[in-house]
Amino acid sequence: QVQLQQSGPGLVKPSQTLSLSCAISGDSVSSNSAAWHWIRQSPSRGLEWLGRTYYRSKWYNEYAVSVKSRLSINADTSKNQLSLQLNSVTPEDTAVYYCARRSGTYLFDYWGQGVLVTVSS
Amino acid sequence: QSALTQPASVSGSPGQSITISCTGTSSDVGGYDFVSWYQQHPGKAPKPMIYDVTNRPSGVSDRFSGSKSGNTASLTISGLQAEDEADYYCSSYSITTTPVVFGGGTKLTVL
Repeated sequence: QVQLQQSGPGLVKPSQTLSLSCAISGDSVSSNSAAWHWIRQSPSRGLEWLGRTYYRSKWYNEYAVSVKSRLSINADTSKNQLSLQLNSVTPEDTAVYYCARRSGTYLFDYWGQGVLVTVSS
Repeated sequence: QSALTQPASVSGSPGQSITISCTGTSSDVGGYDFVSWYQQHPGKAPKPMIYDVTNRPSGVSDRFSGSKSGNTASLTISGLQAEDEADYYCSSYSITTTPVVFGGGTKLTVL
């Protein structure tokens, strides 16, 4: 059974960096058939796909245009986890952030529990 | 603001059937059979209910079914039960610069 356990601060100051981790069990972050995504949800923007990382003989990353200049998604194979770093945050980045897996289909079949991140001074 | 359009709310009585629509364009829903549906209860992560338009993941009740016609996908829930009351979101692959798009969500109320 795949499980995704998220961690990270719930409060970030404007202009600072939002950092979250997603520990994976039951699968490997470097799996050749899975991709690991970050998605956020807010009342104003709904569900919003942020980006993904996946391994197919080498690492690939893909980011949403809306956050591409500020977002970095990385995989840590030694800890079997992925991370998200979003720079220069504003109150508009306030949301529940989820990590999720997609494997073999276009379905997000496993999700982390979500972390509410509030951007406020 | 969401890329896919869903009704804000639907309702039905126990035992009845309801259908939730999800309208996109030929760049997403209409062009690819990669529509999925998620159920979300308050404070919980989305739960996958349907993938590739019509397929149910293991463990999902056969009361849930999906279909698509043109640029509109639909989720039908038959034999409504109290525990079906939740928010439902559609998602699709998109050929545009954002490869994953979501609907704005539909709140299902079981009367």
